[in-house]
Amino acid sequence: RKEVEQDPGPFNVPEGATVAFNCTYSNSASQSFFWYRQDCRKEPKLLMSVYSSGNEDGRFTAQLNRASQYISLLIRDSKLSDSATYLCVVAGYAGGTSYGKLTFGQGTILTVHP
Amino acid sequence: DADVTQTPRNRITKTGKRIMLECSQTKGHDRMYWYRQDPGLGLRLIYYSFDVKDINKGEISDGYSVSRQAQAKFSLSLESAIPNQTALYFCATSDLSSGFDNEQFFGPGTRLTVL
Repeated sequence: RKEVEQDPGPFNVPEGATVAFNCTYSNSASQSFFWYRQDCRKEPKLLMSVYSSGNEDGRFTAQLNRASQYISLLIRDSKLSDSATYLCVVAGYAGGTSYGKLTFGQGTILTVHP
Repeated sequence: DADVTQTPRNRITKTGKRIMLECSQTKGHDRMYWYRQDPGLGLRLIYYSFDVKDINKGEISDGYSVSRQAQAKFSLSLESAIPNQTALYFCATSDLSSGFDNEQFFGPGTRLTVL
C-alpha cells in the first residue's frame, strides 16, 4: 500500500464548478499535512497546510480526518487558472523533532474548461 | 532572481556516463533535499541533508550520491547513469526555524534523459 494515495483523475470541470479531491495516508504517526500545487513542467508550490479543525483560504477548503487518515481539498467556483496537478503531502515526526521529510501522493490532475 | 536554482535545466546523456546535478539556494535554509519525479509515481526522496555535516538516504538512493559543499549548495551525482534514471529531478530547501518548518521550496527542476 502506498503511504499517500490520491485519485489521479483527471478531473475535467467547467468554470464555476466545485470540485473535491481526496487523499488517504497509511502512517498514523503522521503529524503535518499539506496540499501542494504543481503546474505543468513546473516545480511544486505550497497551496495550503491542513489543520485538524479544517481551514479555508478563499475558494479553497482543506479538511483532515485523523481517525480515517483522510485529507480532502475542496475548490469552489473553479477558475481556468486552477488547472494544475494537486499533490497531497504528509510529513512525519520522530521523538518530538520534525523529520522535515515529506511524502507525496502521485497527484490529481485538474483541468478547468470554459 | 530565483531563491533555489538548479543547473543544468535539461541534460541528455548516455548510459554509463557520470552526471552531476547542482542546486544552489539563497534562502539561508539549513535543510536541502533531492527528489525525482516520474509520471504516475509522484515525487520520491533520493537524499536529504539537515546541515552541512549531515547526509541521509531517502527512499530511492541506490545509484545516486550527494555532496553538501556548503549551506547553500547540494549536488546530486549519478556515478554511472542508466536509462531508468530518466526523470525530472527537483532540489528543495526548508527552514526548521520558520513557522511552517515542513514547507519546502523547490527549484525549477532538471530534466534528465539517459539514452
